[in-house]
Amino acid sequence: NAGVTQTPKFRVLKTGQSMTLLCAQDMNHEYMYWYRQDPGMGLRLIHYSVGEGTTAKGEVPDGYNVSRLKKQNFLLGLESAAPSQTSVYFCASSYSRGKNIQYFGAGTRLSVL
Amino acid sequence: AQKITQTQPGMFVQEKEAVTLDCTYDTSDPSYGLFWYKQPSSGEMIFLIYQGSYDQQNATEGRYSLNFQKARKSANLVISASQLGDSAMYFCAMTLNQAGTALIFGKGTTLSVSS
Repeated sequence: NAGVTQTPKFRVLKTGQSMTLLCAQDMNHEYMYWYRQDPGMGLRLIHYSVGEGTTAKGEVPDGYNVSRLKKQNFLLGLESAAPSQTSVYFCASSYSRGKNIQYFGAGTRLSVL
Repeated sequence: AQKITQTQPGMFVQEKEAVTLDCTYDTSDPSYGLFWYKQPSSGEMIFLIYQGSYDQQNATEGRYSLNFQKARKSANLVISASQLGDSAMYFCAMTLNQAGTALIFGKGTTLSVSS
């Protein structure tokens, strides 16, 4: 029962480097989300997708890009990492109907030096 | 806009006791869902319980129940018979019942269970 899988689990970047975080879900969910969690705060939405080939901005989209080329995958990219992007990143997915219960991956801990 | 408020930064309880974690919410939309998630020290976010705005009865999932008071806009989580493994951060969250809407989270409450 994999559910939502995030890779990598940990990463350290230098300022200005780029990277891509991968999220994969095996529950055939239509909707996928990327959140970030900073100390002392709940999660905040970065970007989300309501289906293959579609993405939309969330609350804190600046500095990030996303792509959803396949239904099961949702990629989060940092083109030029900044120290302010040091955070824990969570991916989630949900069905398009019903209770909109979002199931989360284990998170990616990113440090930008 | 929607907002979730959790006013208890930390709560302490002894094993086998019940504990209530407070959550109030704000929205002008009549159709919404309320959630509680658990985040243990390992970091993952675990879904615990859901309450729909039109549900007449309070939701229950095992030892978890959600005390839903719509007029007061509160959605408190009650954990009965606390266990050491319940020590974690707990987040209240809400979402509108619209396609693809995000969860809005509170800042969380840290629960510590002692023996």
